[in-house]
Amino acid sequence: GAVVSQHPSWVICKSGTSVKIECRSLDFQATTMFWYRQFPKQSLMLMATSNEGSKATYEQGVEKDKFLINHASLTLSTLTVTSAHPEDSSFYICSASWGLAQFFGPGTRLTVL
Amino acid sequence: TQLLEQSPQFLSIQEGENLTVYCNSSSVFSSLQWYRQEPGEGPVLLVTVVTGGEVKKLKRLTFQFGDARKDSSLHITAAQPGDTGLYLCAGARSQGGKLIFGQGTELSVKP
Repeated sequence: GAVVSQHPSWVICKSGTSVKIECRSLDFQATTMFWYRQFPKQSLMLMATSNEGSKATYEQGVEKDKFLINHASLTLSTLTVTSAHPEDSSFYICSASWGLAQFFGPGTRLTVL
Repeated sequence: TQLLEQSPQFLSIQEGENLTVYCNSSSVFSSLQWYRQEPGEGPVLLVTVVTGGEVKKLKRLTFQFGDARKDSSLHITAAQPGDTGLYLCAGARSQGGKLIFGQGTELSVKP
């Protein structure tokens, strides 16, 4: 199966700082990756679709200037949470399409103090 | 508006019992996927169904895609404590397109 990795697996930062999360497809090329946010005991909420070589498509209500997405290669997409605040604390998960399915990374736990 | 209604959202059963989780929509999907997620980890793909009426089995798990490709079910036979987790259904309107997730079913199987 397809393997997707994320780095870091967890991060703690101070309010006002920026945090970058990496998502990599390890054994396949992904022209499209997706970024999700998940709150405890809830389902996944799609934040944006990351397209290699072009601008990301953001879901309604997601601030594009706050959540910067870069998909510079066919195996790497990054999500940068700019000027993070405590309300940005969450579990962030990426996925990549391969064939008919989407494969998910292990997630990144972000805690903003 | 939730486009994919998943039920039940919480289920607590005893080891050995059977259970069924449902995902229903008024929309047609090109494919539907089921995932299982454990706390602090990403969802793990269990199965993808693409053909109306399709039935797939994965050990004690049986997945069915509705004839009209608008609904799906997951049936677990003789549940075990290791089946505990969050089960998610997700539909895609096109191959490689974004997924529409159900609300999830938090399953707890007690020994």
